[in-house]
Amino acid sequence: KAGVTQTPRYLIKTRGQQVTLSCSPISGHRSVSWYQQTPGQGLQFLFEYFSETQRNKGNFPGRFSGRQFSNSRSEMNVSTLELGDSALYLCASSPTGGGYSNQPQHFGDGTRLSIL
Amino acid sequence: GENVEQHPSTLSVQEGDSAVIKCTYSDSASNYFPWYKQELGKGPQLIIDIRSNVGEKKDQRIAVTLNKTAKHFSLHITETQPEDSAVYFCAASRGYMDTGRRALTFGSGTRLQVQP
Repeated sequence: KAGVTQTPRYLIKTRGQQVTLSCSPISGHRSVSWYQQTPGQGLQFLFEYFSETQRNKGNFPGRFSGRQFSNSRSEMNVSTLELGDSALYLCASSPTGGGYSNQPQHFGDGTRLSIL
Repeated sequence: GENVEQHPSTLSVQEGDSAVIKCTYSDSASNYFPWYKQELGKGPQLIIDIRSNVGEKKDQRIAVTLNKTAKHFSLHITETQPEDSAVYFCAASRGYMDTGRRALTFGSGTRLQVQP
């Protein structure tokens, strides 16, 4: 079974630009979450999508947005990029979620975004 | 919101020794506690998890213990090997029955180095 696939693996952008990152979850998984990883702040939750709906959102500005398609694939968009957005962006998928049953989240290898 | 503290930040052991990493959490409603291993250039890999209705779980050389009263949980690795060298993250989350939303709150990570 293929794991979580994130594309591209590396990306270089300049301040003010926007970027779109893609995530394909494990086949059959319907919940996709996004995390930002930096040396200073560690791993921080961005948002979670389930059945094409944003179900939860972390404390990030509105420049960070996402969406999920009917096949569960997800995209994350960051507009008006800032130097501080340089980070490893990780996507994680889990089967369904819902209720008190916390199902394991499996991560992809991330997209490393560098802002010049 | 949830806050997870992880200690130590670095840990060096000799091959064959045991390693213990400890985490505390603040939200008494958290009910799921996974541990992840992250190698250089890779995303976090789930190595073991425990739910709040269980006090201990073991998988070969890896074990996790949970003390709900004290709100702390620990990762134990026995007979360490050089390939165990990596950064280890603990995390905590809770499930919401009404919306099903969830998010993992991560500890700051422990860099484990196993000396041959």
